[in-house]
Amino acid sequence: GAVVSQHPSRVICKSGTSVKIECRSLDFQATTMFWYRQFPKQSLMLMATSNEGSKATYEQGVEKDKFLINHASLTLSTLTVTSAHPEDSSFYICSALPRRTGAYEQYFGPGTRLTVT
Amino acid sequence: LAKTTQPISMDSYEGQEVNITCSHNNIATNDYITWYQQFPSQGPRFIIQGYKTKVTNEVASLFIPADRKSSTLSLPRVSLSDTAVYYCLVGDLIYSTLTFGKGTMLLVSP
Repeated sequence: GAVVSQHPSRVICKSGTSVKIECRSLDFQATTMFWYRQFPKQSLMLMATSNEGSKATYEQGVEKDKFLINHASLTLSTLTVTSAHPEDSSFYICSALPRRTGAYEQYFGPGTRLTVT
Repeated sequence: LAKTTQPISMDSYEGQEVNITCSHNNIATNDYITWYQQFPSQGPRFIIQGYKTKVTNEVASLFIPADRKSSTLSLPRVSLSDTAVYYCLVGDLIYSTLTFGKGTMLLVSP
């Protein structure tokens, strides 16, 4: 149980285009979903926190107009990288917090490798 | 959020017990300690979580002293597939945000 999927697993796009990444909790409802970014040989950096039906909370330094987050349902959150540039190339990982009492473990998706050419 | 300090890397051999210690001197009363494992190009995987004393599950044990200023993840009889980065995180479960430190790169050799 507690499986989180991401789609696509890999995407290559041209500079200036937008890319949408989906994060789904497959067998549970998620109160909250998180988006992280990880550059090579570095740790995960939290980008934003999203709760179903409300606006995402972005971490300092993360441009909300560039990284659009939509948490439309208790099982789906999307991250759209708008007007992507090569410096946005990274490994994007989502996680989900189950909607049940006593659940404090975040379950992570497999990640999406974004390459902007 | 409490800052954590871990060794950057550790080496071990198959079959040995590995103990990774994490320092978190400014841990708050409401903070829990959670460990995650990450393989290259994969999302982190939850290993274990605890508040005090000792917690054990099917894959690891977590030892937390009374002052809670450190914790030790113990992996019994490691195998090659345990080669990964291990992250220690400290945080208030209610707010749920996780701050990842640099982690410990564990290399298990034959």
